Amino acid sequence: GNSVTQMEGPVTLSEEAFLTINCTYTATGYPSLFWYVQYPGEGLQLLLKATKADDKGSNKGFEATYRKETTSFHLEKGSVQVSDSAVYFCALSPVTGGFKTIFGAGTRLFVKA
Amino acid sequence: EPEVTQTPSHQVTQMGQEVILRCVPISNHLYFYWYRQILGQKVEFLVSFYNNEISEKSEIFDDQFSVERPDGSNFTLKIRSTKLEDSAMYFCASELGDTRTGELFFGEGSRLTVL
Repeated sequence: GNSVTQMEGPVTLSEEAFLTINCTYTATGYPSLFWYVQYPGEGLQLLLKATKADDKGSNKGFEATYRKETTSFHLEKGSVQVSDSAVYFCALSPVTGGFKTIFGAGTRLFVKA
Repeated sequence: EPEVTQTPSHQVTQMGQEVILRCVPISNHLYFYWYRQILGQKVEFLVSFYNNEISEKSEIFDDQFSVERPDGSNFTLKIRSTKLEDSAMYFCASELGDTRTGELFFGEGSRLTVL
């Protein structure tokens, strides 16, 4: 079956540090890949997405590249801010042949001033 | 900007009681979902709904759970007889679906506490 594995947190960084959150997936076919962000007390919001191999999703300084050869979709940001403190979820949607978007366990990020 | 709205934001109930969680998806969306999140951790799929019927459900979604879209706007999740382990944050989501991208729009969630 489909699955998503992402690095465990929490991740604690100082402001302006470089961020990487690793995500790998297992899927049949060609899923779409997503990063969602959850700020404290809120629902999940789409951060970025990629729908096919080698696509790069980007938003708010975050980016991730759909790597089919390594089945990965790592999230990166060059310089984090305190306001980036949140929980980040990697997710996979089969798009065809199913309706169930699968989420990773989430990685909590703390950014210190 | 269109958004998914959920009510109530928090409900406290006694074990064994019925609970109905309500959602208003984005109006032109075609696919609807319920997810739950326990203790701010893993987001678990419960059920998907399309064309007025369940399209997929997880093993969590047993006979105690049901969904319906009674009036073309509301999308409800009913738990018939709540258990302590049903305590969680329940999120409704909708997807546009004209061409399936899998991009979900989530509501703010309904926190259910079962005592």
